[in-house]
Amino acid sequence: KNEVEQSPQNLTAQEGEFITINCSYSVGISALHWLQQHPGGGIVSLFMLSSGKKKHGRLIATINIQEKHSSLHITASHPRDSAVYICAVSYGGSQGNLIFGKGTKLSVKP
Amino acid sequence: NAGVTQTPKFQVLKTGQSMTLQCAQDMNHEYMSWYRQDPGMGLRLIHYSVGAGITDQGEVPNGYNVSRSTTEDFPLRLLSAAPSQTSVYFCASSFWAANVQETQYFGPGTRLLVL
Repeated sequence: KNEVEQSPQNLTAQEGEFITINCSYSVGISALHWLQQHPGGGIVSLFMLSSGKKKHGRLIATINIQEKHSSLHITASHPRDSAVYICAVSYGGSQGNLIFGKGTKLSVKP
Repeated sequence: NAGVTQTPKFQVLKTGQSMTLQCAQDMNHEYMSWYRQDPGMGLRLIHYSVGAGITDQGEVPNGYNVSRSTTEDFPLRLLSAAPSQTSVYFCASSFWAANVQETQYFGPGTRLLVL
């Protein structure tokens, strides 16, 4: 069974700090997703990647297929980045359904 | 585009009652799914569909029923509500290509309380 582990579970940072959230998975995947869940509950997809690196504004996602590991980086963090960040993987095959990590709760203090 | 819409936003049920959670999307996505989110756990897949007329079970299907008569709509039915079904329910949709989900779009969620 493919397990998705995220670390840390909780993270508190000061505004302006560089933040890294990690995601590890146990078997080969076809794609990895990073999602953001706002305090109000809404979930937004940030990235979908299967190799290399993607960047959107202050957010950067990387994946290392050999090490079965992905990182989400936030540069120059801001209080509005406070949210739960969720990693999910798809292992393709006949379904391609997503398996989700439990999330990392980030709080950025001004 | 409205994206993915869900109704109701909040519902209280008594044990044994039945109800339908509505989900609709206007992006012509093939893949639609229902998840439940419980404290301390990741999102778990209840049922999914890869097109009209095609549905299948996910990780936690017991007590739930789905149908997909159109591309746009994917209702989730609770057959006989139980307190263990108290949760937040999310509907999501995406394009589906070669057994890989593309970017997921989520509805706003439905908070369900079963007494």
